[in-house]
Amino acid sequence: DIQLTQSPSTLSASVGDRVTMSCRASQSVGGWLAWFQHRPGEAPKLLIYRAFTLETGVPSRFSGGASETEFTLTISSLQPDDSATYYCQQYNSFPYTFGQGTKLEIK
Amino acid sequence: QVQVVESGGGVVQPEGSRTLSCAASGFTFSKYAMNWVRQAPGKGLEWVALISYDGSKEYYADSVSGRFTVSRDNSKNMLFLQMDSLRLEDTAMYHCVRGGEFYGGHLDFWGQGAPVTVSS
Repeated sequence: DIQLTQSPSTLSASVGDRVTMSCRASQSVGGWLAWFQHRPGEAPKLLIYRAFTLETGVPSRFSGGASETEFTLTISSLQPDDSATYYCQQYNSFPYTFGQGTKLEIK
Repeated sequence: QVQVVESGGGVVQPEGSRTLSCAASGFTFSKYAMNWVRQAPGKGLEWVALISYDGSKEYYADSVSGRFTVSRDNSKNMLFLQMDSLRLEDTAMYHCVRGGEFYGGHLDFWGQGAPVTVSS
């Protein structure tokens, strides 16, 4: 199975900050990686797929990056409602797997 | 608009069975792979199963393989998850999630989830 390791586990930042979180895959996922935002009590929301592609309706302050097996999610200017847990997920091979999540807190 | 709505959650005893349902609307259900994803209390997201657009292929997480069965009825736009031999660690919120066309792809639309509690 492909393991995804996210870092950091928690992140604290202020409104307007630029934040970046990482997701490292144990082997190649061929770019088939997505990022999700999950707020408590809500359904998870797709932000990015195919490593870089912004889902329709997602603000442009979110962006995805990749270098071989290292993937990043960047929020260019943090907003109050960005407080959530963010998950990466690979859909290159079965079983699909998720990272353990990065909890983003707004100071 | 695309909607997926789960039902059938509840409390079940260990070694018991439960079937979850998911009603889909707002898209051509028969063209899309569908998934189940769960989240145990205090834990992260865990992919559970995928079924291809026509039901010909099924894939499962190791943790549920042999105990859970995913199925679909394209004539009724319905997805199902039959859960047998339930364990305490199967306690979770179960989400129905649309996948990509035909055999898989990124998970785009999520339901709110159906809670399943395994307890004696």
